[in-house]
Amino acid sequence: ETGVTQSPTHLIKTRGQQVTLRCSSQSGHNTVSWYQQALGQGPQFIFQYYREEENGRGNFPPRFSGLQFPNYSSELNVNALELDDSALYLCASSLFVAGMGDTQYFGPGTRLTVL
Amino acid sequence: QKEVEQNSGPLSVPEGAIASLNCTYSDRGSQSFFWYRQYSGKSPELIMSIYSNGDKEDGRFTAQLNKASQYVSLLIRDSQPSDSATYLCAVNPSSGTYKYIFGTGTRLKVLA
Repeated sequence: ETGVTQSPTHLIKTRGQQVTLRCSSQSGHNTVSWYQQALGQGPQFIFQYYREEENGRGNFPPRFSGLQFPNYSSELNVNALELDDSALYLCASSLFVAGMGDTQYFGPGTRLTVL
Repeated sequence: QKEVEQNSGPLSVPEGAIASLNCTYSDRGSQSFFWYRQYSGKSPELIMSIYSNGDKEDGRFTAQLNKASQYVSLLIRDSQPSDSATYLCAVNPSSGTYKYIFGTGTRLKVLA
């Protein structure tokens, strides 16, 4: 059984650029959630994807967007990068069962630095 | 009021002692509660989940849930220096979406 993987590990971008982060979910899981963790803070929910559809979104602007593919892997896209977007971006994989919720397992994260 | 509150610490305990970590939450309808451990520079690692009032034990870890008082705690028995990390409390609120709301975490230092 493979765990959650994310790529790249680290990324440096400049303000105004666009970035795409990738996540492969754990074997047997059908849901991917994305979180942003600023230094010294807890992870903040960005959005969740289930069956290739967005299944809930946190308080993030539309320039944060995502995709889920038929193999349950996912991408997080951020346009018009701002300095405050510098953070650890975490992907969490889970098996979602309607009415029962899920237990989320995190990947290693992508450290994004915006200069 | 923050949705999930934790004391940021650091909480320092001697090796072999019991570490007690606490978390309160604001959404009375919350149903699922989780404890994650996060080492510096790493991603959160699930320690335990708890859904019903009372205690749940797993090895040296015990999670305690009291929905009436809206708090959840984590006890670590026989604390080891390797337990030194930030412990994150996460709550799945009753909003209908399966997001987790995290506290800011409590930094635990186990002194050898």
